[in-house]
Amino acid sequence: DTAVSQTPKYLVTQMGNDKSIKCEQNLGHDTMYWYKQDSKKFLKIMFSYNNKELIINETVPNRFSPKSPDKAHLNLHINSLELGDSAVYFCASSHGTTSGANVLTFGAGSRLTVL
Amino acid sequence: DQQVKQNSPSLSVQEGRISILNCDYTNSMFDYFLWYKKYPAEGPTFLISISSIKDKNEDGRFTVFLNKSAKHLSLHIVPSQPGDSAVYFCAASAQWGNTPLVFGKGTRLSVIA
Repeated sequence: DTAVSQTPKYLVTQMGNDKSIKCEQNLGHDTMYWYKQDSKKFLKIMFSYNNKELIINETVPNRFSPKSPDKAHLNLHINSLELGDSAVYFCASSHGTTSGANVLTFGAGSRLTVL
Repeated sequence: DQQVKQNSPSLSVQEGRISILNCDYTNSMFDYFLWYKKYPAEGPTFLISISSIKDKNEDGRFTVFLNKSAKHLSLHIVPSQPGDSAVYFCAASAQWGNTPLVFGKGTRLSVIA
């Protein structure tokens, strides 16, 4: 059983479109995250939710909107896609709060290509 | 600004020898450090961590060393195996408060048989 699963794994779309990436974890973790790995290979935090509550919201355009219907799911919706949104998006989860002592478990990533 | 730096984008090591991956950080608030390993088309997986109250943590073939005064940590893999070939990410955070993990750019390790 996959602990953190993301769908779709690959997504190719045109500029201006709206798309969603879904994430589910079956680890019973309280906190979920979205990270973005851009062309420079940095893994950067975008959002963090703890028990469905938004905890961290880094400097991300408001075209990106996370939604957590329950603590096992954290979806990422992106409006009006731009070329610069092309990246690999990783979902992750951890026990407890966002405190740094917690180890994150990552999904396999969703590669978004905007043409 | 890069708070966590991995200045070597790649490293090649012969099988059986030691691999040493380095990481530097700039934020003095960081007190918890982790190494993640990533294979192609997979997510990063946790490898080993160290708290700032220690200067060494060992788990099998993997040892992490922390030099707080130099703001430097390193991951040693002994002996290196072909299956260790992957990208290794260093990550850091503060243990208290809602501070997320900050990652370096990664170092690609190739272990040659």
